[in-house]
Amino acid sequence: AQSVTQLDSQVPVFEEAPVELRCNYSSSVSVYLFWYVQYPNQGLQLLLKYLSGSTLVKGINGFEAEFNKSQTSFHLRKPSVHISDTAEYFCAVSEPGYSTLTFGKGTMLLVSP
Amino acid sequence: DARVTQTPRHKVTEMGQEVTMRCQPILGHNTVFWYRQTMMQGLELLAYFRNRAPLDDSGMPKDRFSAEMPDATLATLKIQPSEPRDSAVYFCASGIGLAGGTTGELFFGEGSRLTVL
Repeated sequence: AQSVTQLDSQVPVFEEAPVELRCNYSSSVSVYLFWYVQYPNQGLQLLLKYLSGSTLVKGINGFEAEFNKSQTSFHLRKPSVHISDTAEYFCAVSEPGYSTLTFGKGTMLLVSP
Repeated sequence: DARVTQTPRHKVTEMGQEVTMRCQPILGHNTVFWYRQTMMQGLELLAYFRNRAPLDDSGMPKDRFSAEMPDATLATLKIQPSEPRDSAVYFCASGIGLAGGTTGELFFGEGSRLTVL
């Protein structure tokens, strides 16, 4: 069985500062990895995904994530955040051959002026 | 602009009442998921369908919850009877399921916020 751990439930940061949201997963097989973002009162939308190939993945809104197989991590980063990045961010994992995603508990990114 | 449509957006009901939530997936998507989101449990998968056939509903309390896809444009999630612990936001998501699994890109609706008093 697979699982996802998001180590921080909340990350407060000032505008224009860099940010890293941490995600670790456990799985006995190879995985696909995803980050989704949820703005207030909305559904989730895909930020970026890793299926194979380059371990550095670029997504929308200036976010990127790096897949580290040895550390079973998929941390999300942005070099300079904006107020509009305030949202909840979910890491998710699936396994090849399966259709379902397993989500982490989410990390609330709070960007202040 | 293709999107997943859910109704109702908000529902307040009393314990014991039947609740039906509806979802219109994006045209052409063959996989539909129901998730429940609460503060305590986060996002939980309740059920999912591929090509209208239920593939997994192990996350759903069988005695009171039921999920169906009467046709390719409609998925329903029903709770009967509802209980206060069912209060949550229920999300429908659709995607394209491949023979080898999924591309992982799910498109979520805006959710149905259910409050059971």
